[in-house]
Amino acid sequence: GDSVTQMEGPVTLSEEAFLTINCTYTATGYPSLFWYVQYPGEGLQLLLKATKADDKGSNKGFEATYRKETTSFHLEKGSVQVSDSAVYFCALSDQEGTSYDKVIFGPGTSLSVIP
Amino acid sequence: DTAVSQTPKYLVTQMGNDKSIKCEQNLGHDTMYWYKQDSKKFLKIMFSYNNKELIINETVPNRFSPKSPDKAHLNLHINSLELGDSAVYFCASSQDMLAGDPSTDTQYFGPGTRLTVL
Repeated sequence: GDSVTQMEGPVTLSEEAFLTINCTYTATGYPSLFWYVQYPGEGLQLLLKATKADDKGSNKGFEATYRKETTSFHLEKGSVQVSDSAVYFCALSDQEGTSYDKVIFGPGTSLSVIP
Repeated sequence: DTAVSQTPKYLVTQMGNDKSIKCEQNLGHDTMYWYKQDSKKFLKIMFSYNNKELIINETVPNRFSPKSPDKAHLNLHINSLELGDSAVYFCASSQDMLAGDPSTDTQYFGPGTRLTVL
């Protein structure tokens, strides 16, 4: 079945450092790919998404490119801030041979940004 | 206006009790979900309803019973609570989950209900 793998955390960075959180997936179809962010004490919220190969999703300075050849959707930000401290979830949505799409979340990567 | 709301936000109860968590969405979405998040932040889907019809029912003990009185509400009832049920439970909704239209798959999460079983 489909699956999502993320780099293990926690990740600790200094403010203004470059961020990469790796995400790779396996899917039977042509999935859509998502990054969700969970700030402390809150529910998840969509950060960005890409629906087909070579699409780039971007939001709040974060970017991720849908790479079909490497089955990856790595999250990047050029300069992180303390307010980016959160847990980041990579996810995919795939049909999996049914009438419905199924969304699968990765295990999450915790990011702490220190001043 | 809150898009997806859950009540209560915190729930502390004794082992063996029965409790319910309520969820409502005002987004006009057709699909609603329940997730369980453990202490390591791992998110596991429990149930999914589309237009009040149960679509996904993962391997969850039958002590957990979802109920959808209408497509804007999805409640979770838990019987005979156990210590291992302690977690944060999230409700979510999406426009629909019909295959072939990824634009409708984005999920909107509630703030979570932290359940502690003593």
